Amino acid sequence: KAGVTQTPRYLIKTRGQQVTLSCSPISGHRSVSWYQQTPGQGLQFLFEYFSETQRNKGNFPGRFSGRQFSNSRSEMNVSTLELGDSALYLCASRISMNTEAFFGQGTRLTVV
Amino acid sequence: AQTVTQSQPEMSVQEAETVTLSCTYDTSESDYYLFWYKQPPSRQMILVIRQEAYKQQNATENRFSVNFQKAAKSFSLKISDSQLGDAAMYFCAYLLSGTYKYIFGTGTRLKVLA
Repeated sequence: KAGVTQTPRYLIKTRGQQVTLSCSPISGHRSVSWYQQTPGQGLQFLFEYFSETQRNKGNFPGRFSGRQFSNSRSEMNVSTLELGDSALYLCASRISMNTEAFFGQGTRLTVV
Repeated sequence: AQTVTQSQPEMSVQEAETVTLSCTYDTSESDYYLFWYKQPPSRQMILVIRQEAYKQQNATENRFSVNFQKAAKSFSLKISDSQLGDAAMYFCAYLLSGTYKYIFGTGTRLKVLA
């Protein structure tokens, strides 16, 4: 069974640009969550989608957005990139509420 | 608001020895789940062990076991017979029942000495 797949693995972008990250969950998993990991702030929750609906959003500016498709694949978008957006972005999927999340290997975003 | 605290930024253990990583949390809820995840240099978060708050029995997975003290809001991870492959960042995580959002601790870096 394939795990959670995140693409791309690495990205370098310039300040002011926008970026789209992709996440394919484990087959059968309808919930996808996104987390930002930085050395200073640790792991912070971005948002969570279930059956194409955003059910929860973390405390991030509106420049961070996401969506989920009917096949449960999810994308997150960051517009007007800032240097502080440099981070490891982790996607996780779970089969249902109250179950453990399975994580992808992350996308390392560097903003220069 | 719920919080998770890992007070040990770094720990070291000799190969084949036992080490315990600490985690405390704060919540006013009674129904929740606790997890330990491992993040090796490959960056992928790997589930180590899971504990349901309503279960009094401590969870065990091979060499990994927890000491869950609900009243004290403590959830420590014991790694027995430590192996070089156990070297990683370990994160404690809280999940409120009925939600999808993890609250993570700041992590403990575990070094295993040969």
